[in-house]
Amino acid sequence: AQKITQTQPGMFVQEKEAVTLDCTYDTSDPSYGLFWYKQPSSGEMIFLIYQGSYDQQNATEGRYSLNFQKARKSANLVISASQLGDSAMYFCAMREPEVGGSRLTFGEGTQLTVNP
Amino acid sequence: DAGITQSPRHKVTETGTPVTLRCHQTENHRYMYWYRQDPGHGLRLIHYSYGVKDTDKGEVSDGYSVSRSKTEDFLLTLESATSSQTSVYFCAISDPVTGTDTQYFGPGTRLTVL
Repeated sequence: AQKITQTQPGMFVQEKEAVTLDCTYDTSDPSYGLFWYKQPSSGEMIFLIYQGSYDQQNATEGRYSLNFQKARKSANLVISASQLGDSAMYFCAMREPEVGGSRLTFGEGTQLTVNP
Repeated sequence: DAGITQSPRHKVTETGTPVTLRCHQTENHRYMYWYRQDPGHGLRLIHYSYGVKDTDKGEVSDGYSVSRSKTEDFLLTLESATSSQTSVYFCAISDPVTGTDTQYFGPGTRLTVL
């Protein structure tokens, strides 16, 4: 079974509008972490935002916020006031603690296009 | 930005040849990882290291080996490259003492096996 599911292969948004990228996850571990990364066309992976399973508040980083709904096992990324530079692939990832490392499991990504 | 470099950045090789990719960090992070990225699969973990000489397998480890003889370097070796190993390879680093144990990625290596 997929541990991380991103159901939107592609999304389009107008510049200056907000957009939500969906991510659902599956784990039985009560302690886990959720991450979002951005991959522009140049190829690098850029860390955006982190949410811990025990965090009481939704994470925010500038124009990025994470809509964390634990009971629904969803961790959607919200980008406010979209900019042309936000056009990129976005990956959701989950870390499940285990001895000897902190592996990340990635979703397949959502390609976001911001239109002028 | 985390100090992570990968070499080479691009490589074309032939089936059956050995290939070694290098990841170098200047952050003194304990953990290092190798991922591969293929269309439709996101990133998948190949191997990771939790200290010098301490390594373990990831999700797609067949055909790959790794070595870590010092904190700053993590090598990924394809003993006999196959066309199915054509991919983009990313190294990442993290350290649990930082709290969130966020992984930071290198720039990637594009490998083509003909």
